[in-house]
Amino acid sequence: AQTVTQSQPEMSVQEAETVTLSCTYDTSESDYYLFWYKQPPSRQMILVIRQEAYKQQNATENRFSVNFQKAAKSFSLKISDSQLGDAAMYFCALLARPFGAGTRLTVKP
Amino acid sequence: DTGVSQNPRHKITKRGQNVTFRCDPISEHNRLYWYRQTLGQGPEFLTYFQNEAQLEKSRLLSDRFSAERPKGSFSTLEIQRTEQGDSAMYLCASSPYTEAFFGQGTRLTVV
Repeated sequence: AQTVTQSQPEMSVQEAETVTLSCTYDTSESDYYLFWYKQPPSRQMILVIRQEAYKQQNATENRFSVNFQKAAKSFSLKISDSQLGDAAMYFCALLARPFGAGTRLTVKP
Repeated sequence: DTGVSQNPRHKITKRGQNVTFRCDPISEHNRLYWYRQTLGQGPEFLTYFQNEAQLEKSRLLSDRFSAERPKGSFSTLEIQRTEQGDSAMYLCASSPYTEAFFGQGTRLTVV
């Protein structure tokens, strides 16, 4: 069975600073996709970033980047220059399922 | 708007009533997923369609729940004889395979 684990229920960061959210996973698939989703209070799930397992290069989307360690089955999300609008729940997921339990990110002005 | 659409956005129902939710996926996405999410938790997988075929069902999907995707286009999720424990956000996502795009969800409250 596939699993996704987020061990940080809550994280806090100062505006303009950098924060890293952790995620570990387990799958028997050799080719798979990993994702980070953002869910603000509106409850809309927004795709933040995607990583294809066969690509060694870490994905980057503007201020968001990942540290993908395939052997360690680790997939962390780094948010640089944090903004107030980044405050939300963040979920790590394998394609479509499962999802981690989430990390609530607070951004302090 | 070419995103995933879910209707209704909110539904309040009395315990014991039946409810049906609709999901319209992004055109030509052959995969469609349903999830249930309670506050503070991650989405829990319920079921998955590839085109019109329902390929996987979670053990969370009791016999009171049924989902369909006729003709491989929109999908419906029906809950019969609703219980207070069914109160949750029901999310739909469609996928062309490489990533999943979510609708805004249907918030169900059972009173």
